[in-house]
Amino acid sequence: SAVISQKPSRDICQRGTSLTIQCQVDSQVTMMFWYRQQPGQSLTLIATANQGSEATYESGFVIDKFPISRPNLTFSTLTVSNMSPEDSSIYLCSVEGRGRYNEQFFGPGTRLTVL
Amino acid sequence: KQEVTQIPAALSVPEGENLVLNCSFTDSAIYNLQWFRQDPGKGLTSLLLIQSSQREQTSGRLNASLDKSSGRSTLYIAASQPGDSATYLCAAQLTGAGSYQLTFGKGTKLSVIP
Repeated sequence: SAVISQKPSRDICQRGTSLTIQCQVDSQVTMMFWYRQQPGQSLTLIATANQGSEATYESGFVIDKFPISRPNLTFSTLTVSNMSPEDSSIYLCSVEGRGRYNEQFFGPGTRLTVL
Repeated sequence: KQEVTQIPAALSVPEGENLVLNCSFTDSAIYNLQWFRQDPGKGLTSLLLIQSSQREQTSGRLNASLDKSSGRSTLYIAASQPGDSATYLCAAQLTGAGSYQLTFGKGTKLSVIP
């Protein structure tokens, strides 16, 4: 398994501002993923981040709104830009384990409230 | 497009009871299926992963089964305890190059009453 930490654990932000969420893994991993969980909903993949290349965004998510950095094999950031109340969600990063079957492990999440 | 459904959305049982949580998926071309536990306001804890060629996996009081042909997976919890109270999520990963995306169900919220 992998041990994943996220900062901040929660935040309350004003409309129109931006927040950068950090994800740190205790081992080197190739693939890191960012998910969003809106209130009462399931998890939705925002983007896949490989070290040394541009992040790949899923339908409905764009780089201008959710820029991602992946400077090395243990760290990534997700920025939520120009926030609105609709961005209030839990944001989670995940990584693939080293086993054969692509088991994914998740961080504790960042609970974001936008006023 | 893969869709994952979990029934029931919520379940309340007395302590000690055995229970089954259900997960169905529309696309049988899955690479694996994972069950997670999510405590309120927290991240996800991986419970079990069943690879597509497997029929079931067991970990302690948990047993997960997979039937690709019918598009179903179940999570069996034996002798439930109040500490099992949480939301249980299943997620399917499709086969194919670059198919790392997990498609999640909305979860079953389990309450175990002492």
